[in-house]
Amino acid sequence: GENVEQHPSTLSVQEGDSAVIKCTYSDSASNYFPWYKQELGKGPQLIIDIRSNVGEKKDQRIAVTLNKTAKHFSLHITETQPEDSAVYFCAAIKAAGNKLTFGGGTRVLVKP
Amino acid sequence: GAVVSQHPSWVICKSGTSVKIECRSLDFQATTMFWYRQFPKQSLMLMATSNEGSKATYEQGVEKDKFLINHASLTLSTLTVTSAHPEDSSFYICSARPTFGADSPLHFGNGTRLTVT
Repeated sequence: GENVEQHPSTLSVQEGDSAVIKCTYSDSASNYFPWYKQELGKGPQLIIDIRSNVGEKKDQRIAVTLNKTAKHFSLHITETQPEDSAVYFCAAIKAAGNKLTFGGGTRVLVKP
Repeated sequence: GAVVSQHPSWVICKSGTSVKIECRSLDFQATTMFWYRQFPKQSLMLMATSNEGSKATYEQGVEKDKFLINHASLTLSTLTVTSAHPEDSSFYICSARPTFGADSPLHFGNGTRLTVT
């Protein structure tokens, strides 16, 4: 089955700096890669996703890049703000399958 | 946007009792819903896949008689933790994928924190 590795497990950045989270996946058949943000005591919220036919996607301060050959994808948050502090999860899924495989999560702390 | 409502948000029960958690898709139909369990500072662990009108598919190691899943309509799935014990205390989260839309993203509920005393 699919295996998703996520690094780092914790990330502390100064407000205004950028944050980068990296994930690798094992199944070359995976072709959809969502990123979720989870705040304390809440469920994960989809913040951005990318499909395998695209190498990069951007939404305001958030961007995701995908390298299919190397089987890794990354989340980039620019101009970080304290409200970006949360746990971020990457995930991978095959189009024809249903199971979403999550990475281990990254706890991001943005220091004012 | 697609909204998944989970109820209750928290529940405390005594050991030996059963607890039912509801997961509703509010503005879309979901043939398939998923139930996850999350321990503190850990990732989400898939427990089972709930299919409308048919039996749920459980992940390895998850007791189907312990965690009863019912998906009676296209907008509602329920998870019942039967004869709960303290080790069942956890954060339970459901998710749903819109029926129409081959690669629609999964939307998650806000979770239910279960504490068994």
